[in-house]
Amino acid sequence: AQSVTQPDIHITVSEGASLELRCNYSYGATPYLFWYVQSPGQGLQLLLKYFSGDTLVQGIKGFEAEFKRSQSSFNLRKPSVHWSDAAEYFCVVGGTSYGKLTFGQGTILTVHP
Amino acid sequence: DTAVSQTPKYLVTQMGNDKSIKCEQNLGHDTMYWYKQDSKKFLKIMFSYNNKELIINETVPNRFSPKSPDKAHLNLHINSLELGDSAVYFCASSQEVAGSYEQYFGPGTRLTVT
Repeated sequence: AQSVTQPDIHITVSEGASLELRCNYSYGATPYLFWYVQSPGQGLQLLLKYFSGDTLVQGIKGFEAEFKRSQSSFNLRKPSVHWSDAAEYFCVVGGTSYGKLTFGQGTILTVHP
Repeated sequence: DTAVSQTPKYLVTQMGNDKSIKCEQNLGHDTMYWYKQDSKKFLKIMFSYNNKELIINETVPNRFSPKSPDKAHLNLHINSLELGDSAVYFCASSQEVAGSYEQYFGPGTRLTVT
């Protein structure tokens, strides 16, 4: 069975600081990995995805994530956080079973001015 | 243009009532989904349809019945609503890309059962 763990429930950073959100997954084969963001009262927006190839993937809004098979991790990073990045972030693992996605429990990001 | 739309956005109703949530996608995708997000923000898949055929049916009470009149629509009907059904329900759609299904989500429907 596939599973996702986001160890940090809530992270607070100052605007302009760097950010790393952690994600560990469990999956029997090569996983398909995603990061989604949910702003308050909004739906989910896809930030980036990893299917295969280069293990460092670039996404929208200046985010990137690195797939590390040896550590079963797919951490999300951003070099300089903006106040508008405050939201909840979900790490997601999926396979080929018609898109059955498993979501992590989410990390709430608060950005201080 | 809204890619995945849901109606209504908010739904407040009493226990025991029957209600429906509608979802439409204009992306031409073959697969559509319903997810439930509980009060702790945990998202869990409920159903998935591919070309109007049910392919994923997680452990969901029989009171929940999805209906797909065509591949652009996936509606969710809920009978005999209970307090525990209060949640945000998200519709999503996807198309296979290199063996994976990148999903696009609707804005959600916040259901409150009183």
